Amino acid sequence: AQSVTQPDIHITVSEGASLELRCNYSYGATPYLFWYVQSPGQGLQLLLKYFSGDTLVQGIKGFEAEFKRSQSSFNLRKPSVHWSDAAEYFCAVGRRPGYALNFGKGTSLLVTP
Amino acid sequence: DARVTQTPRHKVTEMGQEVTMRCQPILGHNTVFWYRQTMMQGLELLAYFRNRAPLDDSGMPKDRFSAEMPDATLATLKIQPSEPRDSAVYFCASRDGEQPQHFGDGTRLSIL
Repeated sequence: AQSVTQPDIHITVSEGASLELRCNYSYGATPYLFWYVQSPGQGLQLLLKYFSGDTLVQGIKGFEAEFKRSQSSFNLRKPSVHWSDAAEYFCAVGRRPGYALNFGKGTSLLVTP
Repeated sequence: DARVTQTPRHKVTEMGQEVTMRCQPILGHNTVFWYRQTMMQGLELLAYFRNRAPLDDSGMPKDRFSAEMPDATLATLKIQPSEPRDSAVYFCASRDGEQPQHFGDGTRLSIL
């Protein structure tokens, strides 16, 4: 069965600092990996996805993520965080691109001035 | 931008009452998902449909929950009778083919 672990429940970073959110997955075959962001009272918005090919994927809002098969990880990064990035971030895995997703429990990002 | 529309956005009712949540998927999307989000469990898949046919509803308590797609533009999730433990945010998502899912803004349900 697929599963996703986001080890950090909360992360606080200063505005302008770099960010890395961790995601580890458990799945026997090639995973299809996603990062979503959720602002308060809103639904989930797709930041980026990995299906195959280049292991470094670029997303919206300046985010990128790197797929590392040897570490079963798909960490999300941003070089310089903006206050508007404060939100809940979810990593998700699917066994095929269009199938239902298993989500991690989320990481809440707080950005300080 | 095309959006998944969920109604109502908020619902407060007493336990034992029937609750119906509605979802209008993005036009042309053939797969619709229902998720439930709670603090304790996070995001859980309840059910999903492809071309209006249920594919998987194993995450849904069968005795009180039911999900249907009366037509391609409407998906419903019903709870009868509702219980306080059903309090959560319920999300609908839709997708086309193998594209990623698009989420609605959710229905925040409180059962008193």
